[in-house]
Amino acid sequence: QITLKESGPTLVKPTQTLTLTCTFSGFSLSTSGVGVGWIRQPPGKALEWLALIYWNDDKRYSPSLKSRLTITKDTSKNQVVLTMTNMDPVDTATYYCAHVSSSRNFDYWGQGTLVTVSS
Amino acid sequence: SYELTQPPSVSVSPGQTARITCSGDALPKQYAYWYQQKPGQAPVLVIYKDSERPSGIPERFSGSSSGTTVTLTISGVQAEDEADYYCQSADSSGTYVFGGGTKLTVL
Repeated sequence: QITLKESGPTLVKPTQTLTLTCTFSGFSLSTSGVGVGWIRQPPGKALEWLALIYWNDDKRYSPSLKSRLTITKDTSKNQVVLTMTNMDPVDTATYYCAHVSSSRNFDYWGQGTLVTVSS
Repeated sequence: SYELTQPPSVSVSPGQTARITCSGDALPKQYAYWYQQKPGQAPVLVIYKDSERPSGIPERFSGSSSGTTVTLTISGVQAEDEADYYCQSADSSGTYVFGGGTKLTVL
């Protein structure tokens, strides 16, 4: 059974760096074809893909946010970490992590964590 | 940057067929995926690789592709199908993208 859970601060100040951790079980990020991605959703708005890391450490970033994002993995801990620099109130959103299957879709999702950016 | 375009809303009566479209220049070469999201919940994959249905998804959900447009079809719509639906794909460089979402209202 694949499960994922996001953790991190619920409130960050403008200009600060956000660090989110996705802790998962039921699969290994050392298995060929597997990946973990991050997606966010501002309140009442659409889903936005942020970043993705594959089993072979290949990384992909949203072009519009690439300069602010870093994604890393710790295979031994079954964790993927996303950092986003220079946070702004427009970054207020629910942040999800999700398992990426070999079919290149998000087939299992975490419950999401709401991050509010405010001074 | 690559974009996927969906209608903001679709409305149907119970028992009718709902069709939600998603348009994008790369769709003839890249697979599309569909997600259902109900209020306060994480999205759920309902269609992958244009037309494949994951286990546990009702048969009334189907997908199709034609040129630069993919379509999610829900036959015999039920009240429980009222939700937001998002298409997702990728471009040739491996950059992922979601559509703007379609709110399905069951009248």
